[in-house]
Amino acid sequence: GQNIDQPTEMTATEGAIVQINCTYQTSGFNGLFWYQQHAGEAPTFLSYNVLDGLEEKGRFSSFLSRSKGYSYLLLKELQMKDSASYLCAVMDSNYQLIWGAGTKLIIKP
Amino acid sequence: GAVVSQHPSRVICKSGTSVKIECRSLDFQATTMFWYRQFPKKSLMLMATSNEGSKATYEQGVEKDKFLINHASLTLSTLTVTSAHPEDSSFYICSARGSGENNEQFFGPGTRLTVL
Repeated sequence: GQNIDQPTEMTATEGAIVQINCTYQTSGFNGLFWYQQHAGEAPTFLSYNVLDGLEEKGRFSSFLSRSKGYSYLLLKELQMKDSASYLCAVMDSNYQLIWGAGTKLIIKP
Repeated sequence: GAVVSQHPSRVICKSGTSVKIECRSLDFQATTMFWYRQFPKKSLMLMATSNEGSKATYEQGVEKDKFLINHASLTLSTLTVTSAHPEDSSFYICSARGSGENNEQFFGPGTRLTVL
């Protein structure tokens, strides 16, 4: 079956760095997405990786290793507004998105 | 990025009534739209994939006669929850796939449905 694993919850301090891991097992691979979702709102796109390596976009970076079925989202200089759920999703061979359950990130002052 | 609108944003209805939710891609044509349901503190659950001009493809366990999907144009898909019951209360989110290289999905703001 298809499976996306990510931690349920993480806590970090304002100004620090946090890494959210995601491992996956899917039928085919057409890219991995990270989305941010604040409570009561729809997800917003953060990043897309289809090739191995690191993609940097401001305070956020995303890494992919296809051979390991592994990705991480790195958030630097954490701000209180970064408190949200972070969803990892993989697009399978049918171009369908397979979603992880999300990681709730709690930022403390 | 591309914009997807969803209407209404919030609806409260009585049990047994039907509710229609609209999803529109405002500045791009979306041949494929997706409907998700999300219960509190849970991940997105794909209900169905909607392709313009053809019948929607429903995920296992989703009743196609209860959740009617119509994708009549390249910019509009509708989800109708028929004979709604309290257990249908949820956050319903649509998304549309863009034509860009990264296969990104653009999400609508969601509709909070409460069935009394």
